[in-house]
Amino acid sequence: ETGVTQSPTHLIKTRGQQVTLRCSSQSGHNTVSWYQQALGQGPQFIFQYYREEENGRGNFPPRFSGLQFPNYSSELNVNALELDDSALYLCASSPSRGGASDRELFFGEGSRLTVL
Amino acid sequence: DAKTTQPPSMDCAEGRAANLPCNHSTISGNEYVYWYRQIHSQGPQYIIHGLKNNETNEMASLIITEDRKSSTLILPHATLRDTAVYYCIVRVFNNAGNMLTFGGGTRLMVKP
Repeated sequence: ETGVTQSPTHLIKTRGQQVTLRCSSQSGHNTVSWYQQALGQGPQFIFQYYREEENGRGNFPPRFSGLQFPNYSSELNVNALELDDSALYLCASSPSRGGASDRELFFGEGSRLTVL
Repeated sequence: DAKTTQPPSMDCAEGRAANLPCNHSTISGNEYVYWYRQIHSQGPQYIIHGLKNNETNEMASLIITEDRKSSTLILPHATLRDTAVYYCIVRVFNNAGNMLTFGGGTRLMVKP
């Protein structure tokens, strides 16, 4: 149990649709990051939010966007879904932006998205 | 980020020590070595991290070579529940402080 919860756990969408995935961070954690994990591969960093602002982004197009709310819960939005967007989407929270003293990220169980 | 190289798979007998190697020959002086594992269908779980010195916690030990170009994660008494994909990550601290660059990892199979 990491205290990070994600919803929904599974969902199916069709190409061109939009999807919103949700994450509730561990209590006291003000930083959330999102990762995409395609089948058989390691997770890839999408972006990070700190105090409601994006402050780091991986190699993902603008149709991947996010929000972080004052209670530190978070959303990942993906527009114009493509077949390659099928993946496990992981949310991770931490108590800081990731300075040298930061030890670990706490990952949720993920939301598995299938795009048909 | 420095890249890491890990064997794609390893087997270990239950109750024996599992030694998982990782090469990170381009690591820079201020980069930490982190290990995470991912049990099937779950999110990654933090195991241990280190900079220069060997580290031990309740889950594992981390041995880092003196030149820091490689490391070994040791699970002292592997159990069936340790079957997972183990990721060795060299972590950069920057504005995207929580960007972990995962490679392919090592799929550890613990056998009875």
